[in-house]
Amino acid sequence: KAGVTQTPRYLIKTRGQQVTLSCSPISGHRSVSWYQQTPGQGLQFLFEYFSETQRNKGNFPGRFSGRQFSNSRSEMNVSTLELGDSALYLCASSFDSTGGPDTQYFGPGTRLTVL
Amino acid sequence: DAKTTQPPSMDCAEGRAANLPCNHSTISGNEYVYWYRQIHSQGPQYIIHGLKNNETNEMASLIITEDRKSSTLILPHATLRDTAVYYCIVSSGGYQKVTFGIGTKLQVIP
Repeated sequence: KAGVTQTPRYLIKTRGQQVTLSCSPISGHRSVSWYQQTPGQGLQFLFEYFSETQRNKGNFPGRFSGRQFSNSRSEMNVSTLELGDSALYLCASSFDSTGGPDTQYFGPGTRLTVL
Repeated sequence: DAKTTQPPSMDCAEGRAANLPCNHSTISGNEYVYWYRQIHSQGPQYIIHGLKNNETNEMASLIITEDRKSSTLILPHATLRDTAVYYCIVSSGGYQKVTFGIGTKLQVIP
């Protein structure tokens, strides 16, 4: 099976712009989670989608949003970019076996640089 | 906040066993212990998980204490390629928000 893919891998934007990142989960996986990783804050949970619905959300401002499509592919959007949004954005997918273990598989990430 | 506590860094000699500890004293009965590792700037890689029994796979062994309040990941013969940040997390599955702590930076020394 192909792994989790994320596009683009690298992105450079300027303050005030918006950006959309894409994630294609492993085939058959229904849950997609997004994380932000910065040197100072580590790996922080952004949100999780299942069946096109956001099920969980981390402590990020409303500028961070996402969605999931019927084929489980997901996008996240950051509007009005700030310098502090520079980070590695990671997507993870899982099958979501409710009531049992649910291993997440991570993509390679999108490295966003805000100038 | 992360539900786990790990030492920030550890060294291990190449070829020796690396034992990485993790405390999860508030773990719930339906929460599994997962271990992931992240090699510099790559996405985290799943290693192993367990509920209460010890587990072993081709990568590592997971030892969970009887009270489930702590666990140890064992890499039996560490190689230089095992140098990475290792994360211990607890999760009951898809409905639960997963929080990663700072992890343990393992340095394997030649």
